[in-house]
Amino acid sequence: DVKVTQSSRYLVKRTGEKVFLECVQDMDHENMFWYRQDPGLGLRLIYFSYDVKMKEKGDIPEGYSVSREKKERFSLILESASTNQTSMYLCASLREGGQETYEQYFGPGTRLTVT
Amino acid sequence: DQQVKQNSPSLSVQEGRISILNCDYTNSMFDYFLWYKKYPAEGPTFLISISSIKDKNEDGRFTVFLNKSAKHLSLHIVPSQPGDSAVYFCAATGTGNQFYFGTGTSLTVIP
Repeated sequence: DVKVTQSSRYLVKRTGEKVFLECVQDMDHENMFWYRQDPGLGLRLIYFSYDVKMKEKGDIPEGYSVSREKKERFSLILESASTNQTSMYLCASLREGGQETYEQYFGPGTRLTVT
Repeated sequence: DQQVKQNSPSLSVQEGRISILNCDYTNSMFDYFLWYKKYPAEGPTFLISISSIKDKNEDGRFTVFLNKSAKHLSLHIVPSQPGDSAVYFCAATGTGNQFYFGTGTSLTVIP
């Protein structure tokens, strides 16, 4: 059973703080993703990584950075948290099956509030 | 600009009846489509997918239909059960690296 875990379910931070969100998967998946989910906007991709130390920007990378030092771990960093980064953050890893099938496994999410 | 759209934010259906959730996309390069189900305070879970070489994929009570010419896909749930009440997201990808999600449809199945 694939497991994607996120370090915190709920987090409250102050404006200007540096915030680290950690994600770990146990299935040796190559690809990992960070999304944020906001009402009326669905899931939007922040960054993804297809290998250790490799990263690609998604649709909304501004104000965020990522780190992938080990295959199983993908971290999202808010360099200086702002109130518009209050959101639900979801991490996912990807299983690529046969015949080009794809299946993302999501963590439970981190509800971040920036005050 | 939203490349994957779910135009119905919510849907209510009687238990035992069919639920039909719709999704439209704009990018003709998408060749793989997925549906996810999400309960409150949980991450989305994969439900069913379809490749662009098919027009239908079935898994138990869940069937996904793809109409490439209309750039439209739909998820049918038959029969609907109260446990199906959740938010459903459709997603699309062309490369398997970037996935584009719709805004979600909240399904309520009334007992």
